[in-house]
Order: sequence, then structure tokens, then C-alpha cells
Amino acid sequence: DGGITQSPKYLFRKEGQNVTLSCEQNLNHDAMYWYRQDPGQGLRLIYYSQIVNDFQKGDIAEGYSVSREKKESFPLTVTSAQKNPTAFYLCASSIVDRGSPLHFGNGTRLTVT
Amino acid sequence: QKEVEQDPGPLSVPEGAIVSLNCTYSNSAFQYFMWYRQYSRKGPELLMYTYSSGNKEDGRFTAQVDKSSKYISLFIRDSQPSDSATYLCAMSAGYSSASKIIFGSGTRLSIRP
Repeated sequence: DGGITQSPKYLFRKEGQNVTLSCEQNLNHDAMYWYRQDPGQGLRLIYYSQIVNDFQKGDIAEGYSVSREKKESFPLTVTSAQKNPTAFYLCASSIVDRGSPLHFGNGTRLTVT
Repeated sequence: QKEVEQDPGPLSVPEGAIVSLNCTYSNSAFQYFMWYRQYSRKGPELLMYTYSSGNKEDGRFTAQVDKSSKYISLFIRDSQPSDSATYLCAMSAGYSSASKIIFGSGTRLSIRP
């Protein structure tokens, strides 16, 4: 079955440590996205990529970094510069076309103490 | 003012009732409209996708778009306990493949057996 796999489901880190969240898709989608979800705030776009080796900042990119070396993979690194890293992180993908809907993975819950 | 407004609920209704979920928006350029269902600790799942104004029906679900009032609705008929989830509206202007999708903050729905 085609889909998006995020791992791990839960992640715990100490403050000051960088952490990388994995996202893999086998939907053959060119575009991939990272969102952050906090209670009562909806989904906020962190980074997105429409093609391999290229990506753009979203609305809240500070303290995050990404890479897109393969079409199937779009890992997100939460750096120690991110002030409030504890959140639910969602990876999504879509075809590159106007108005295309997003398909989401099941998220990674990151807790930083 | 947020571009997309959605009542956070929670909304609690008895099994079998008709549920109405709504979003309002301010950007008249939006023309692609989506509803996502999100179960607890899971990623959002695309439920309905519509373009421009009008109605779209899929089983027990009907999506309605009124662009003149900048108002979209999702109706659930014969609601079931399994419909208990958070429902997110989303929309995009679709000027290009890079047009952002803007999400509402979600409405928590609970169906009482």
C-alpha cells in the first residue's frame, strides 16, 4: 500500500540536543512538506520541497533544517535553536499541481525536556 | 484576523444525528477546499475535496461551498461513534503549484452512543 511513513512515533530529547525526524513516502509524489501542530493553533508550515535538492522555508522555519536528497525522503532536523520544540510534527506529500490536496503521515510526537 | 476561522468545539451530538461543521474565510481568492478528519495521535486523512462553489456528496458526507459568503460546511448524516475525531478545513487559492494550503484550527467532534 502506498503511503507516508514517519518514524519514530514518539521521541524524547534533552534540551540543547539536535534531533532528526524521518519521513519516507512511496506515493511517487514530487512535493513534500513538514507541519507542526500545537493545540488550538492548527497546522503551521515549517518547510516544503517540490523537487529533489530544493526546498523552501514555510511560516515557522527558524530553528529547523531539512534536506531532500531523494524523492522519497524528506527528513526534518529540530535544532537546539528552536525555542519551543515540543510538538506534534506531521509530514505530508502531494503531486505538484495547483490546489493538490496533501496526504499526511501519522506524525511524530517530540517531547523536549 | 486569521485567514480561516473554525469553531474549536468540542461538539457533542447523539448517534444518528446530522452534524454540521463550518469554516469561514477572508481570502476571496481561495478556490480549492478540503476537509480532513484526524483521529487522536494520528495524521489528518483527506475526507472531501472540492473546487469552487457547490455541493459534493460522498456516502454520509456532504461538503458545501458558498464563495459569496466565504463559508464552507461539512455535513455528516447518520453520525456514528467512529466519526468522533477532529475535523480540519483547509483551502488554497491555487495560483500555482506552490500556493499554500491554509488550515483551520479544527473542530473536535464527539458522537455519543
